[in-house]
Amino acid sequence: EAGVAQSPRYKIIEKRQSVAFWCNPISGHATLYWYQQILGQGPKLLIQFQNNGVVDDSQLPKDRFSAERLKGVDSTLKIQPAKLEDSAVYLCASSPIGLNTGELFFGEGSRLTVL
Amino acid sequence: DAKTTQPNSMESNEEEPVHLPCNHSTISGTDYIHWYRQLPSQGPEYVIHGLTSNVNNRMASLAIAEDRKSSTLILHRATLRDAAVYYCILRGEYGGSQGNLIFGKGTKLSVKP
Repeated sequence: EAGVAQSPRYKIIEKRQSVAFWCNPISGHATLYWYQQILGQGPKLLIQFQNNGVVDDSQLPKDRFSAERLKGVDSTLKIQPAKLEDSAVYLCASSPIGLNTGELFFGEGSRLTVL
Repeated sequence: DAKTTQPNSMESNEEEPVHLPCNHSTISGTDYIHWYRQLPSQGPEYVIHGLTSNVNNRMASLAIAEDRKSSTLILHRATLRDAAVYYCILRGEYGGSQGNLIFGKGTKLSVKP
């Protein structure tokens, strides 16, 4: 079974530029998450989708970050304009709908470096 | 805010058992205890979860205290591949944001040959 796919794996940009990350969850998984992981810290949830609706985006810096999940499958996370402190690994995860007793499946992440 | 407390780091010898502790004194009755691990340069990976009873799977065992205020992840025979950061996370039973995984800093496990 294919896992969660993310691209690009690595991206280097200068501050004030924009960047977009793409995620393809496991087939049939209704719930999709984006996490930000700064070096040396645990992942921090940015946004959670259920199908194509947002469940929680309370920690998403909405002045510069946006995310969408059209048709309830793939998702993109955009940063515009980027700041130095946005340097991190952006992780996408998915899980089947239902009680939260099952596991989340994570992709390998997209590493962003902002210069 | 993470609702669990774990040691920053632990060391183990290869082929020996490892006991990774986690304190969660404010756990609620509907919180499940989840463990994930993150190998270098990879996304987190599910290890095990439980509610009240001890749990076993092919990767590890989870021992939960009777009062549920602490738990221990047990790797029965550590291998070099088990070197990772291990996260203990409380997760609400029901859907929506209460079921989100909130990661702390975890325990970095080193395994010596």
